Amino acid sequence: DQQVKQNSPSLSVQEGRISILNCDYTNSMFDYFLWYKKYPAEGPTFLISISSIKDKNEDGRFTVFLNKSAKHLSLHIVPSQPGDSAVYFCAASPSTGNQFYFGTGTSLTVIP
Amino acid sequence: NAGVTQTPKFRVLKTGQSMTLLCAQDMNHEYMYWYRQDPGMGLRLIHYSVGEGTTAKGEVPDGYNVSRLKKQNFLLGLESAAPSQTSVYFCASSTSGGYNEQFFGPGTRLTVL
Repeated sequence: DQQVKQNSPSLSVQEGRISILNCDYTNSMFDYFLWYKKYPAEGPTFLISISSIKDKNEDGRFTVFLNKSAKHLSLHIVPSQPGDSAVYFCAASPSTGNQFYFGTGTSLTVIP
Repeated sequence: NAGVTQTPKFRVLKTGQSMTLLCAQDMNHEYMYWYRQDPGMGLRLIHYSVGEGTTAKGEVPDGYNVSRLKKQNFLLGLESAAPSQTSVYFCASSTSGGYNEQFFGPGTRLTVL
């Protein structure tokens, strides 16, 4: 059973606008969350993370929001750029564990 | 630094054949992981290692074996390949578990006929 879900397989956004990618999880033991970006024929690269003691973390154009009560996190990209076109995976881990559980990914297309 | 490298990049096997995928990292990371990525399934953990000489099962370990004889290398073996093992395989490493991001290799595309 998928413990981390990304219900939108794809998203298209105009350049300069905001991209919002969503992720839901079911395991209440998860307390560390990451977003990865993946270009075709490459491995995923780390983008941004958040621990459960926070509800927001920013890094330049990227902001991750965490709503623990709803078991939901989102990644905001503002402003979106064509180079942001990629597949985005969210991942979650319990602090006591050694495993990360990945979502199925959302393919973002930023239209120039 | 090369980071995480994977060998080979592509491979085609016939059902029943065996092969070994090699992952190497030059970041002195303790933890290493093998994932498979399938359409609509995201990345699923096959096996992982928390240090030289250790291995542990992940979500989907059946049909695979691993070894971590040297800290910098993590090998994934398929003893008798099946078409269901057609996938893209990613290796990753991290300094430790918990609150640390993983660094991924470029992937190996494996097709089993």
